[in-house]
Amino acid sequence: SQQGEEDPQALSIQEGENATMNCSYKTSINNLQWYRQNSGRGLVHLILIRSNEREKHSGRLRVTLDTSKKSSSLLITASRAADTASYFCATDSGTYKYIFGTGTRLKVLA
Amino acid sequence: NAGVTQTPKFRVLKTGQSMTLLCAQDMNHEYMYWYRQDPGMGLRLIHYSVGEGTTAKGEVPDGYNVSRLKKQNFLLGLESAAPSQTSVYFCASSWTTYYNEQFFGPGTRLTVL
Repeated sequence: SQQGEEDPQALSIQEGENATMNCSYKTSINNLQWYRQNSGRGLVHLILIRSNEREKHSGRLRVTLDTSKKSSSLLITASRAADTASYFCATDSGTYKYIFGTGTRLKVLA
Repeated sequence: NAGVTQTPKFRVLKTGQSMTLLCAQDMNHEYMYWYRQDPGMGLRLIHYSVGEGTTAKGEVPDGYNVSRLKKQNFLLGLESAAPSQTSVYFCASSWTTYYNEQFFGPGTRLTVL
């Protein structure tokens, strides 16, 4: 079964707008990561947030983590057409492996 | 520095045929992983390895075997391919799991007829 579930499954916005996607998970974690996948390509790491962190920034990306609600959100500010991709969260529960969610498909319209 | 490479990129098999997918990394990573990606299912872990000579089962190991004879290579084998194994296969590597990102290969698109 999937540990992470992203919401929404698909999101379409205009260039310049902000995009927010959420990830919920079931068990306690050591850390949570977000990845991007362009169509037909492998996944690329975006950002990692540890279980004792609440918020992290990287460029136009802002990630929050609420361990009490077992959820995380990824905010992409001032989106660009090049941000069009699928976004996945992945959780590490300390078992030598990550569990990936089902992903959010983001489409940014120029 | 090529990162993670996968061979082949595409393959079509008939039911019952066998094949081996090769993953190679040049980053001296300890951990390596094989995932499959199906529409609407995200990535599911097939097998993984925490070091040369070691392998372990992931979420969906049935029908697959793996070997890690050299640190830089991780092989995924299908002994008798089935249509249910039609998928895109991704290999990834990392230093360890704790607080380390995974680096992914470009994927292998496999179709089993």
